[in-house]
Amino acid sequence: TQLLEQSPQFLSIQEGENLTVYCNSSSVFSSLQWYRQEPGEGPVLLVTVVTGGEVKKLKRLTFQFGDARKDSSLHITAAQPGDTGLYLCAGEGDYKLSFGAGTTVTVRA
Amino acid sequence: DAGITQSPRYKITETGRQVTLMCHQTWSHSYMFWYRQDLGHGLRLIYYSAAADITDKGEVPDGYVVSRSKTENFPLTLESATRSQTSVYFCASTRANTEAFFGQGTRLTVV
Repeated sequence: TQLLEQSPQFLSIQEGENLTVYCNSSSVFSSLQWYRQEPGEGPVLLVTVVTGGEVKKLKRLTFQFGDARKDSSLHITAAQPGDTGLYLCAGEGDYKLSFGAGTTVTVRA
Repeated sequence: DAGITQSPRYKITETGRQVTLMCHQTWSHSYMFWYRQDLGHGLRLIYYSAAADITDKGEVPDGYVVSRSKTENFPLTLESATRSQTSVYFCASTRANTEAFFGQGTRLTVV
């Protein structure tokens, strides 16, 4: 059973469009991390959100942590082909990370 | 070079054989993890270790054994490989409550 549910599972959009990926859980986490993974590589951290209601921006990427610290979203503005990849959310608790199944994002040129 | 390295990158083995996947990190991170990644399941935790000689089960530990005699190494052994253990295996390390650094993965095929 996945503690973290990510939606959608797949997302294909045209360059320049916006997209949002959701990460939901019934559990409360100490923090929530977003990773991006490219084919043949391990996941790489994008951001960590800790405080309920927190919003973090990383260039064209905006991350939100829900007030109850159970859900999060990743919004990409004006997506580019370089944003293509697998996006994973991970909840931290008891020094362990529990991952969602991931959202595969494809940005077409 | 500093970092976390896994070996081998690719492995094909037969059902019933014992296989060991190696993981080495140079940061002296206290925490190390083994995950498997399968389509539709994301990353599932197999075993983790909080320090040398301290290991604990994760979500899917059956059929796997780990050891941590030294802080920098965390090998994962499949005692008798089965086809259901065909997967991509990732090792990760972290200081407590911080970013996890992942190796490049080992693609294991059990035939």
